[in-house]
Amino acid sequence: ETGVTQTPRHLVMGMTNKKSLKCEQHLGHNAMYWYKQSAKKPLELMFVYSLEERVENNSVPSRFSPECPNSSHLFLHLHTLQPEDSALYLCASSQDLRGGQFFGPGTRLTVL
Amino acid sequence: KNEVEQSPQNLTAQEGEFITINCSYSVGISALHWLQQHPGGGIVSLFMLSSGKKKHGRLIATINIQEKHSSLHITASHPRDSAVYICAVAHTGTASKLTFGTGTRLQVTL
Repeated sequence: ETGVTQTPRHLVMGMTNKKSLKCEQHLGHNAMYWYKQSAKKPLELMFVYSLEERVENNSVPSRFSPECPNSSHLFLHLHTLQPEDSALYLCASSQDLRGGQFFGPGTRLTVL
Repeated sequence: KNEVEQSPQNLTAQEGEFITINCSYSVGISALHWLQQHPGGGIVSLFMLSSGKKKHGRLIATINIQEKHSSLHITASHPRDSAVYICAVAHTGTASKLTFGTGTRLQVTL
């Protein structure tokens, strides 16, 4: 399944680093999502974009900064993260805000 | 109490067995999703339903809106079905915002 791709697949970073996660969808969808999955916790919605506009910011700390330059690409910029931010970060897309979501493979992030 | 509860948390079955995973929720919803997550982390959407029943191959999903309950059934289970199965609900009026259960870890053995 290559409809939604994410890079990198694994990332290790220090607390002072700045890095970015990238998501790309090849499905012609108009909505994109960032989710966080921590160990032994349910998936948590972080951000929702529709037609490149942010429509949901689920009380996410400012050290996570999303960017949606067009409907096919979504970034998550990371800076001064904490070890508790270590998790699997999943991107998803849907045709519109009512449609079923297609998930990417995720980026496993470790913050040292 | 979580808005979405799944049971069981862990399930081991032998190949060929009929499997049922349950999901109960406590909020009004516009749709319910069943997702499958393999050990590598990638998630596949299995079903999105708002009423009745859907079938895809050996998978069947049902929902009872009045009882706020959904079930995912797997017939003739196979080791490749081993995964975490996640129930998620879209709240009424906010179709894009999903609330997830903690998942059911299924292991199917030979």
